Amino acid sequence: DAKTTQPPSMDCAEGRAANLPCNHSTISGNEYVYWYRQIHSQGPQYIIHGLKNNETNEMASLIITEDRKSSTLILPHATLRDTAVYYCIVRGNTNAGKSTFGDGTTLTVKP
Amino acid sequence: GAGVSQSPRYKVAKRGQDVALRCDPISGHVSLFWYQQALGQGPEFLTYFQNEAQLDKSGLPSDRFFAERPEGSVSTLKIQRTQQEDSAVYLCASSLQQRGDTEAFFGQGTRLTVV
Repeated sequence: DAKTTQPPSMDCAEGRAANLPCNHSTISGNEYVYWYRQIHSQGPQYIIHGLKNNETNEMASLIITEDRKSSTLILPHATLRDTAVYYCIVRGNTNAGKSTFGDGTTLTVKP
Repeated sequence: GAGVSQSPRYKVAKRGQDVALRCDPISGHVSLFWYQQALGQGPEFLTYFQNEAQLDKSGLPSDRFFAERPEGSVSTLKIQRTQQEDSAVYLCASSLQQRGDTEAFFGQGTRLTVV
């Protein structure tokens, strides 16, 4: 089960792009990169996931390096409501139920 | 239902008391997971079901913790003889399939406080 490494905290100005990095150097070929976020007193909320291609949805973009050892979650226009803890995890077909979350990155969006 | 539902949202138990936490997954979701989240930390895996089969319980911290999903839908996490270190948020998640490309959706959690 691949582990991930994230910075403990980041700040971002409201309206600017927030770029959250994640290292997953031990990821295996069939493991996907997932991002969740957790706002205080709520359960983790799914944001986006990808295998090797970059992905975009209505919430965010996910950029995965060619060697798949790291990725970046991009919130294109951060708002105050994006203040949360962001978790990067990896999930594979054989361990999809046993994801290791770590302590995530606390993103603070400032006015 | 529209999402994963957990009950109760809050539970206060006296030390030594038994508790039961309920999870209603999204209808049709095969996989169900339980996590424990201590204050200020990320969720930690407890156990995993595929339908009614408990395929992995390696994260359960002691034999006081027991989980079941008898009909492959609703799941119950039971903690016997609760202790103060059991105080945490217990999260349940479900996914349509047990596959790496299938996202899991979380409930709001049950905050357990043992006094």
